[in-house]
Amino acid sequence: GESVGLHLPTLSVQEGDNSIINCAYSNSASDYFIWYKQESGKGPQFIIDIRSNMDKRQGQRVTVLLNKTVKHLSLQIAATQPGDSAVYFCAENLIQGAQKLVFGQGTRLTINP
Amino acid sequence: DTGVSQDPRHKITKRGQNVTFRCDPISEHNRLYWYRQTLGQGPEFLTYFQNEAQLEKSRLLSDRFSAERPKGSFSTLEIQRTEQGDSAMYLCASSLTLYEQYFGPGTRLTVT
Repeated sequence: GESVGLHLPTLSVQEGDNSIINCAYSNSASDYFIWYKQESGKGPQFIIDIRSNMDKRQGQRVTVLLNKTVKHLSLQIAATQPGDSAVYFCAENLIQGAQKLVFGQGTRLTINP
Repeated sequence: DTGVSQDPRHKITKRGQNVTFRCDPISEHNRLYWYRQTLGQGPEFLTYFQNEAQLEKSRLLSDRFSAERPKGSFSTLEIQRTEQGDSAMYLCASSLTLYEQYFGPGTRLTVT
């Protein structure tokens, strides 16, 4: 039978455009957040993280924004490239609690040439 | 390659058989984690070690599952009497601090 889990939210962007991937997290007490990139058949690859005492953090071509009021996290990728095609997951953690990342559903990013 | 390594990368087994997976963390990372990922879903936490001590276990880790990290370096995850529902990607991650977790390539288990 068909698996609902196969229907990941999908974002399609033109090569060179900026991408914004959104994530709603579940635990208002979470104080640490990570974005991972996962290519087919591979393990999740760390992209960028942010602690709850910040609302913005920038890396190379990527920016993460955190809005604790509405429990929302976003990943912005500048000048999207074909190599950015992957599934992107946000994950949350409560640093002083149980040591486990709780992952969101994931978004499939597709780059159009 | 100094990343997390996992072995085997793929395992096909018949229902009822036992399987064991190995994870070698990044050198000097004292924290090690096991996750399970099914198709189209994000990874789900299974268990956590700090050095050789197993400090956290998920309810997902039934009594057929056991994990060890005997010398605080590599870890093994064993599944006894495998069931078709155990088919998934088993991911290992390691970290030096409470923060960044780095994942290995995973072991894909198929139970027939």
